[in-house]
Amino acid sequence: KAGVTQTPRYLIKTRGQQVTLSCSPISGHRSVSWYQQTPGQGLQFLFEYFSETQRNKGNFPGRFSGRQFSNSRSEMNVSTLELGDSALYLCASSSRLAESYEQYFGPGTRLTVT
Amino acid sequence: GQQLNQSPQSMFIQEGEDVSMNCTSSSIFNTWLWYKQDPGEGPVLLIALYKAGELTSNGRLTAQFGITRKDSFLNISASIPSDVGIYFCAGQLRGSQGNLIFGKGTKLSVKP
Repeated sequence: KAGVTQTPRYLIKTRGQQVTLSCSPISGHRSVSWYQQTPGQGLQFLFEYFSETQRNKGNFPGRFSGRQFSNSRSEMNVSTLELGDSALYLCASSSRLAESYEQYFGPGTRLTVT
Repeated sequence: GQQLNQSPQSMFIQEGEDVSMNCTSSSIFNTWLWYKQDPGEGPVLLIALYKAGELTSNGRLTAQFGITRKDSFLNISASIPSDVGIYFCAGQLRGSQGNLIFGKGTKLSVKP
């Protein structure tokens, strides 16, 4: 079974621009969670989608948004990029219907904002 | 927000040594997970724990879900060079869909 895939792997953007990251979950997994990883803050939860609905959201500004498609693929968007948005963005998928327990991570997208 | 205190922050290992690390929290967790992350990669799930007191092994790795539901431990026996990396504990609160709370990680390096 193929793992979680994320595209692109690396991205360089300029302050003020917007960016869209993509995540394809493990086949059959319907839950996708997104995390931001930085050296200072560690891994922080952004949001979680299940069946195209956002079920949970972390403490991030509204510039961070996401969506999920009917095939469970998910995208996250960051608008008006700031230098502090430079981070590794990870998505994770889970097969649980009611709650997400075991989460399997993709390799991440390394975003650099200059 | 919720926090997990993971210790130690870093440690040096010599091949063959046993390694221990732990995570504690002020909150009660429904699930504890342990991950390993190598440079440039996403975290890889090592062990999942669902019941207080549960002891689960995966090869040379053994993890336990604390009785109070507020802590968890990971032990690595007879370490080998490929054990080097960063280990993270993660907990999930009941009803918190998809939201794992992570510790800051324990970095394992080889003794010089």
